[in-house]
Amino acid sequence: EIVLTQSPGTLSLSPGERATLSCRASQSVTSNHLVWYQQKPGQAPRLLIYGVSSRATGIPDRFSGSGSGTDFTLTISRLEPEDFAVYYCQQYGSSRYTFGQGTKLEIK
Amino acid sequence: QVQLVQSGAEVKKPGASVKVSCKASGYTFTTYYIHWVRQAPGQGLEWMGMVSPSDGNTNYAQNFRGRVTMTRDTSTNTVYMDLSSLISEDTAVYYCARELPATCYFDHWGQGTLVTVSS
Repeated sequence: EIVLTQSPGTLSLSPGERATLSCRASQSVTSNHLVWYQQKPGQAPRLLIYGVSSRATGIPDRFSGSGSGTDFTLTISRLEPEDFAVYYCQQYGSSRYTFGQGTKLEIK
Repeated sequence: QVQLVQSGAEVKKPGASVKVSCKASGYTFTTYYIHWVRQAPGQGLEWMGMVSPSDGNTNYAQNFRGRVTMTRDTSTNTVYMDLSSLISEDTAVYYCARELPATCYFDHWGQGTLVTVSS
């Protein structure tokens, strides 16, 4: 099973700053099936990015995804107050879906 | 609009079973897989398995095999997740989520169902 490790665990930034979140896989991710979700307290996760770099419907273009193989990045170009949340990466491989442990993006 | 509406919170004793439902609307039910993902208090997301509404085929995560059963009722566009032999560590919010086959991501999620296991 592929293990996803996200870093940092917590990221403290101010609105307007750029956020860079990392997701590292223990093996190469199949066919670029790497996904990012955002979760706010008391809410279900929300799809942000699929296929490494494709934005989901309605996701602002300040969110972007990149990477390949085992190293992937979610970038938020200019943080808005509503972006402070927990972010999870997810992959699919060998009929299994696994999530990273999450990165909490908090207001500095 | 697409909606996945889950059943309400449950409190169960250790050793009991729980059945959570997920009713789909706003799209063709048989076109999308339904997955179950759980989240223990303050923890991350854990994939449990999936069911194909078109044919009932299932794929369960190894951690839950033998304890989980996922079924569907095409007459009511509802998917069910049954988890047996509950222990305190099964206390979590359980989410259903849909996937267009072979896309490998979950584009809509239910609101979540809190299952509490306590004696």
